[in-house]
Amino acid sequence: DGGITQSPKYLFRKEGQNVTLSCEQNLNHDAMYWYRQDPGQGLRLIYYSQIVNDFQKGDIAEGYSVSREKKESFPLTVTSAQKNPTAFYLCASSIGGNYGYTFGSGTRLTVV
Amino acid sequence: QKEVEQDPGPLSVPEGAIVSLNCTYSNSAFQYFMWYRQYSRKGPELLMYTYSSGNKEDGRFTAQVDKSSKYISLFIRDSQPSDSATYLCAMSGVAGGTSYGKLTFGQGTILTVHP
Repeated sequence: DGGITQSPKYLFRKEGQNVTLSCEQNLNHDAMYWYRQDPGQGLRLIYYSQIVNDFQKGDIAEGYSVSREKKESFPLTVTSAQKNPTAFYLCASSIGGNYGYTFGSGTRLTVV
Repeated sequence: QKEVEQDPGPLSVPEGAIVSLNCTYSNSAFQYFMWYRQYSRKGPELLMYTYSSGNKEDGRFTAQVDKSSKYISLFIRDSQPSDSATYLCAMSGVAGGTSYGKLTFGQGTILTVHP
């Protein structure tokens, strides 16, 4: 079945550590996105990529980094520079343009 | 002011009720409007997709867009307990604009339908 796989489902990080969240899709979608979801704030765009080897900052990119070396993969690194990283992270993909997104099931990151 | 405003609720209704969910927006470049449903601890799933103004119906769900008022709505008829979820509105703009290909989401409305 085609879809988006995010791993791990739950992730715990100590303060000062970098962690990488995985996102893989087999939908042959060109565009991929990372959103952060906090209670009462909806989804906020962190980074997006519309083509391999190219990506752009979203609204809240500070403290995060991404890469897009393969069409299928768009990993997100949460660095120690991110002041408040505890959140639910969602990866999405689309065929591009203004078509709707397909979302993964999310990764819940907790800083301990 | 946020580009997209959505009443977070929570909204609690009895089974069988008609539910009305709404969003307002400020960016006149938005042309594509969507509603997503998100169950607890899951990713959102696309529920309705509309372009520009007008109505679209799919089973018990009706999406309305009023671009002149910058206001969109989702109506759920004969609501069921399985409709209990968070509903997110989302929108994007036309090619060439800064909002093209990027969805801007509302805060989400938490809906509970009780038997």
